[in-house]
Amino acid sequence: AQSVSQHNHHVILSEAASLELGCNYSYGGTVNLFWYVQYPGQHLQLLLKYFSGDPLVKGIKGFEAEFIKSKFSFNLRKPSVQWSDTAEYFCAVNHKAAGNKLTFGGGTRVLVKP
Amino acid sequence: EPEVTQTPSHQVTQMGQEVILRCVPISNHLYFYWYRQILGQKVEFLVSFYNNEISEKSEIFDDQFSVERPDGSNFTLKIRSTKLEDSAMYFCASSERQGATDTQYFGPGTRLTVL
Repeated sequence: AQSVSQHNHHVILSEAASLELGCNYSYGGTVNLFWYVQYPGQHLQLLLKYFSGDPLVKGIKGFEAEFIKSKFSFNLRKPSVQWSDTAEYFCAVNHKAAGNKLTFGGGTRVLVKP
Repeated sequence: EPEVTQTPSHQVTQMGQEVILRCVPISNHLYFYWYRQILGQKVEFLVSFYNNEISEKSEIFDDQFSVERPDGSNFTLKIRSTKLEDSAMYFCASSERQGATDTQYFGPGTRLTVL
Protein backbone atom coordinates (compact mmCIF):
# COMPACT_ATOMS: atom_id res chain seq x y z
CA ALA A 1 0.00 0.00 0.00
CA GLN A 2 1.19 3.47 -0.74
CA SER A 3 1.97 5.92 2.03
CA VAL A 4 2.99 9.55 2.21
CA SER A 5 5.25 11.15 4.80
CA GLN A 6 5.64 14.81 5.56
CA HIS A 7 8.68 15.40 7.67
CA ASN A 8 7.70 18.54 9.51
CA HIS A 9 4.53 18.83 11.54
CA HIS A 10 5.01 22.49 12.35
CA VAL A 11 7.09 25.20 10.72
CA ILE A 12 7.43 28.75 12.01
CA LEU A 13 9.17 31.38 9.96
CA SER A 14 9.23 35.08 9.34
CA GLU A 15 7.93 36.93 6.32
CA ALA A 16 10.32 36.93 3.36
CA ALA A 17 11.95 33.73 4.54
CA SER A 18 12.17 30.80 2.16
CA LEU A 19 9.99 27.77 2.73
CA GLU A 20 10.61 24.16 1.87
CA LEU A 21 8.28 21.38 2.97
CA GLY A 22 9.32 17.80 2.52
CA CYS A 23 7.14 15.04 1.14
CA ASN A 24 8.13 11.44 0.50
CA TYR A 25 5.96 8.65 -0.79
CA SER A 26 6.30 4.93 -0.96
CA TYR A 27 5.16 3.35 -4.17
CA GLY A 28 7.35 1.89 -6.85
CA GLY A 29 5.21 2.62 -9.87
CA THR A 30 4.06 5.74 -11.66
CA VAL A 31 2.41 8.21 -9.33
CA ASN A 32 0.58 11.48 -9.52
CA LEU A 33 1.51 14.01 -6.89
CA PHE A 34 -0.40 16.88 -5.38
CA TRP A 35 0.04 19.63 -2.85
CA TYR A 36 -3.08 21.00 -1.22
CA VAL A 37 -3.31 23.94 1.16
CA GLN A 38 -5.89 24.65 3.82
CA TYR A 39 -6.05 28.23 5.03
CA PRO A 40 -7.62 28.80 8.46
CA GLY A 41 -11.35 28.18 8.27
CA GLN A 42 -11.27 27.29 4.60
CA HIS A 43 -11.41 24.16 2.50
CA LEU A 44 -8.56 22.23 0.96
CA GLN A 45 -7.36 23.93 -2.20
CA LEU A 46 -5.04 22.56 -4.86
CA LEU A 47 -1.70 24.36 -4.98
CA LEU A 48 -0.11 22.31 -7.72
CA LYS A 49 0.09 18.85 -9.21
CA TYR A 50 2.51 16.69 -11.12
CA PHE A 51 1.62 13.96 -13.59
CA SER A 52 4.47 13.82 -16.07
CA GLY A 53 6.96 15.96 -17.93
CA ASP A 54 9.04 18.68 -16.34
CA PRO A 55 9.67 17.57 -12.75
CA LEU A 56 9.66 21.18 -11.59
CA VAL A 57 6.06 22.20 -11.27
CA LYS A 58 4.85 25.73 -10.70
CA GLY A 59 1.61 26.34 -8.87
CA ILE A 60 -0.46 29.18 -7.60
CA LYS A 61 0.69 31.90 -5.21
CA GLY A 62 4.35 31.53 -6.12
CA PHE A 63 4.70 27.93 -4.97
CA GLU A 64 6.65 25.30 -6.84
CA ALA A 65 7.49 21.67 -6.24
CA GLU A 66 10.14 19.35 -7.56
CA PHE A 67 9.58 15.69 -8.24
CA ILE A 68 12.72 13.63 -7.68
CA LYS A 69 11.87 10.11 -8.69
CA SER A 70 15.06 8.56 -7.35
CA LYS A 71 14.28 9.98 -3.91
CA PHE A 72 10.53 9.36 -4.02
CA SER A 73 10.15 12.99 -3.08
CA PHE A 74 7.96 15.92 -4.04
CA ASN A 75 9.08 18.86 -1.95
CA LEU A 76 7.20 22.13 -1.93
CA ARG A 77 9.05 25.43 -2.04
CA LYS A 78 8.41 29.14 -1.96
CA PRO A 79 11.33 31.56 -2.10
CA SER A 80 9.73 34.31 -0.02
CA VAL A 81 6.70 33.68 2.16
CA GLN A 82 4.06 36.14 3.24
CA TRP A 83 1.94 36.27 6.36
CA SER A 84 -0.99 35.09 4.20
CA ASP A 85 0.82 31.79 3.57
CA THR A 86 -0.04 30.75 7.12
CA ALA A 87 -1.92 27.51 6.54
CA GLU A 88 -1.71 23.75 6.69
CA TYR A 89 -0.11 22.07 3.70
CA PHE A 90 -0.88 18.53 2.60
CA CYS A 91 1.01 16.35 0.17
CA ALA A 92 -1.06 13.68 -1.57
CA VAL A 93 -0.45 10.87 -4.01
CA ASN A 94 -2.48 8.63 -6.21
CA HIS A 95 -1.74 6.21 -8.99
CA LYS A 96 -3.73 4.65 -11.75
CA ALA A 97 -3.74 1.18 -10.23
CA ALA A 98 -5.36 2.49 -7.07
CA GLY A 99 -8.09 4.42 -8.83
CA ASN A 100 -8.69 8.01 -7.95
CA LYS A 101 -8.29 7.84 -4.22
CA LEU A 102 -5.79 10.23 -2.76
CA THR A 103 -3.39 9.14 -0.05
CA PHE A 104 -2.44 12.09 2.12
CA GLY A 105 0.52 12.92 4.24
CA GLY A 106 -0.01 14.08 7.78
CA GLY A 107 0.11 17.76 6.90
CA THR A 108 2.47 20.55 7.90
CA ARG A 109 1.23 23.58 9.78
CA VAL A 110 3.06 26.67 8.64
CA LEU A 111 2.97 29.86 10.69
CA VAL A 112 4.42 32.94 9.09
CA LYS A 113 5.16 35.71 11.55
CA PRO A 114 4.69 39.24 10.24
CA GLU B 1 -15.36 30.00 -9.03
CA PRO B 2 -17.63 27.02 -8.33
CA GLU B 3 -17.10 25.35 -4.99
CA VAL B 4 -18.09 22.18 -3.21
CA THR B 5 -20.34 22.99 -0.27
CA GLN B 6 -21.10 20.91 2.80
CA THR B 7 -23.74 21.08 5.51
CA PRO B 8 -23.79 21.26 8.41
CA SER B 9 -20.42 22.70 9.31
CA HIS B 10 -20.63 21.05 12.71
CA GLN B 11 -22.79 18.15 13.85
CA VAL B 12 -23.02 16.91 17.40
CA THR B 13 -24.74 13.60 18.02
CA GLN B 14 -25.16 10.94 20.64
CA MET B 15 -23.50 7.57 20.22
CA GLY B 16 -25.78 5.16 18.40
CA GLN B 17 -27.66 7.85 16.53
CA GLU B 18 -27.80 8.13 12.77
CA VAL B 19 -26.31 11.14 11.03
CA ILE B 20 -26.46 12.33 7.46
CA LEU B 21 -23.76 14.60 6.14
CA ARG B 22 -24.62 16.55 3.04
CA CYS B 23 -22.54 17.76 0.15
CA VAL B 24 -23.29 19.68 -3.00
CA PRO B 25 -20.56 18.90 -5.53
CA ILE B 26 -19.59 21.23 -8.34
CA SER B 27 -22.41 21.11 -10.83
CA ASN B 28 -20.73 19.57 -13.88
CA HIS B 29 -18.71 17.08 -11.87
CA LEU B 30 -19.50 13.41 -12.15
CA TYR B 31 -17.24 11.78 -9.56
CA PHE B 32 -17.73 12.20 -5.87
CA TYR B 33 -15.70 11.27 -2.82
CA TRP B 34 -15.76 11.25 0.94
CA TYR B 35 -12.67 11.53 3.09
CA ARG B 36 -12.33 11.95 6.81
CA GLN B 37 -9.71 13.27 9.18
CA ILE B 38 -9.70 12.19 12.79
CA LEU B 39 -8.14 14.84 14.99
CA GLY B 40 -4.37 14.60 14.83
CA GLN B 41 -4.40 11.99 12.10
CA LYS B 42 -4.14 11.94 8.32
CA VAL B 43 -6.90 12.64 5.86
CA GLU B 44 -8.20 9.18 4.88
CA PHE B 45 -10.16 8.08 1.84
CA LEU B 46 -13.56 6.57 2.56
CA VAL B 47 -15.41 6.08 -0.70
CA SER B 48 -15.74 7.18 -4.30
CA PHE B 49 -19.01 7.28 -6.22
CA TYR B 50 -19.93 7.50 -9.87
CA ASN B 51 -23.06 6.89 -11.87
CA ASN B 52 -25.08 6.15 -8.76
CA GLU B 53 -22.84 3.47 -7.47
CA ILE B 54 -19.77 3.07 -5.35
CA SER B 55 -16.59 2.91 -7.43
CA GLU B 56 -14.22 2.16 -4.62
CA LYS B 57 -14.30 2.04 -0.85
CA SER B 58 -11.74 1.71 1.88
CA GLU B 59 -11.75 -0.79 4.70
CA ILE B 60 -13.01 2.00 6.95
CA PHE B 61 -16.22 2.19 4.93
CA ASP B 62 -18.03 -0.69 6.57
CA ASP B 63 -21.72 -1.53 6.76
CA GLN B 64 -22.54 1.39 9.04
CA PHE B 65 -21.68 3.80 6.23
CA SER B 66 -23.65 4.45 3.08
CA VAL B 67 -23.64 7.06 0.35
CA GLU B 68 -26.38 8.31 -1.87
CA ARG B 69 -27.10 10.86 -4.52
CA PRO B 70 -30.76 11.46 -3.75
CA ASP B 71 -31.25 14.11 -6.40
CA GLY B 72 -29.29 15.91 -9.09
CA SER B 73 -27.32 18.06 -6.75
CA ASN B 74 -26.79 16.46 -3.34
CA PHE B 75 -24.38 13.73 -2.31
CA THR B 76 -24.82 12.34 1.18
CA LEU B 77 -22.88 10.23 3.63
CA LYS B 78 -24.97 8.37 6.20
CA ILE B 79 -23.58 6.83 9.33
CA ARG B 80 -26.23 4.51 10.74
CA SER B 81 -25.16 4.03 14.31
CA THR B 82 -22.44 6.42 15.27
CA LYS B 83 -19.56 5.44 17.49
CA LEU B 84 -17.23 7.61 19.49
CA GLU B 85 -14.46 6.85 17.04
CA ASP B 86 -16.49 8.31 14.18
CA SER B 87 -15.74 11.77 15.55
CA ALA B 88 -13.79 13.44 12.79
CA MET B 89 -13.84 16.06 10.08
CA TYR B 90 -15.57 14.68 7.01
CA PHE B 91 -14.63 16.13 3.64
CA CYS B 92 -16.57 15.77 0.43
CA ALA B 93 -14.80 16.15 -2.90
CA SER B 94 -15.74 16.03 -6.54
CA SER B 95 -13.96 15.79 -9.86
CA GLU B 96 -15.06 16.36 -13.40
CA ARG B 97 -13.64 13.19 -14.86
CA GLN B 98 -12.41 9.90 -13.63
CA GLY B 99 -8.72 9.60 -13.80
CA ALA B 100 -5.94 9.65 -11.34
CA THR B 101 -4.73 12.88 -12.90
CA ASP B 102 -7.96 14.75 -12.47
CA THR B 103 -8.15 17.32 -9.71
CA GLN B 104 -10.43 16.65 -6.79
CA TYR B 105 -12.07 19.76 -5.38
CA PHE B 106 -12.81 19.64 -1.67
CA GLY B 107 -15.56 21.10 0.43
CA PRO B 108 -14.96 22.89 3.75
CA GLY B 109 -15.79 19.82 5.78
CA THR B 110 -18.29 18.82 8.43
CA ARG B 111 -16.98 18.38 11.93
CA LEU B 112 -18.80 15.42 13.49
CA THR B 113 -18.66 15.08 17.24
CA VAL B 114 -20.06 11.89 18.75
CA LEU B 115 -20.76 12.05 22.47
